[in-house]
Amino acid sequence: DAKTTQPTSMDCAEGRAANLPCNHSTISGNEYVYWYRQIHSQGPQYIIHGLKNNETNEMASLIITEDRKSSTLILPHATLRDTAVYYCIVRVNNAGNMLTFGGGTRLMVKP
Amino acid sequence: GAVVSQHPSRVICKSGTSVKIECRSLDFQATTMFWYRQFPKQSLMLMATSNEGSKATYEQGVEKDKFLINHASLTLSTLTVTSAHPEDSSFYICGVLAGGTDTQYFGPGTRLTVL
Repeated sequence: DAKTTQPTSMDCAEGRAANLPCNHSTISGNEYVYWYRQIHSQGPQYIIHGLKNNETNEMASLIITEDRKSSTLILPHATLRDTAVYYCIVRVNNAGNMLTFGGGTRLMVKP
Repeated sequence: GAVVSQHPSRVICKSGTSVKIECRSLDFQATTMFWYRQFPKQSLMLMATSNEGSKATYEQGVEKDKFLINHASLTLSTLTVTSAHPEDSSFYICGVLAGGTDTQYFGPGTRLTVL
């Protein structure tokens, strides 16, 4: 699976949009971009994933650049409960494929 | 998303004892489950991949005789830490591959403290 690079930490004001970047310049054509987050002392929570097109669900939006070498996770109106470590993971969708977690971005939402 | 439970949520045991952690998928069948461990201030590290009805596949450096995995049904996998020592103290998390999709969902984790 391709390697990803994320900033170590970010701050965001409560109520504002949080934009979390991820670089995956060596991504291959059949690799998806997945985002998970981990709130302190909990298991990771699935947020969203995509291949080429931008995706949106009730939690977030995923914007993938046309060359697919980077992506941005957008939390449109961050709340204090969104404070967590956010992991960007690139992987091929095969049955049985595990996830490789990097360091992630520690997002701190401040009042 | 899929619901995954783990039991117990936290356990404290004496050195030398064995501890069993259960991972259940509550609303779907899971042919594949993953066990991760996470030390303080570190990311999740995959320990093993558990397939229903067959032997688990362990990552390099993980002792299969110490971390026993049993995936007896499509909804249950267990991890037994045998002869636990203080260095086994960690946060153990299971991940489950939802049948028919390629999205992995995670349990809430089990915090093991070995005294």
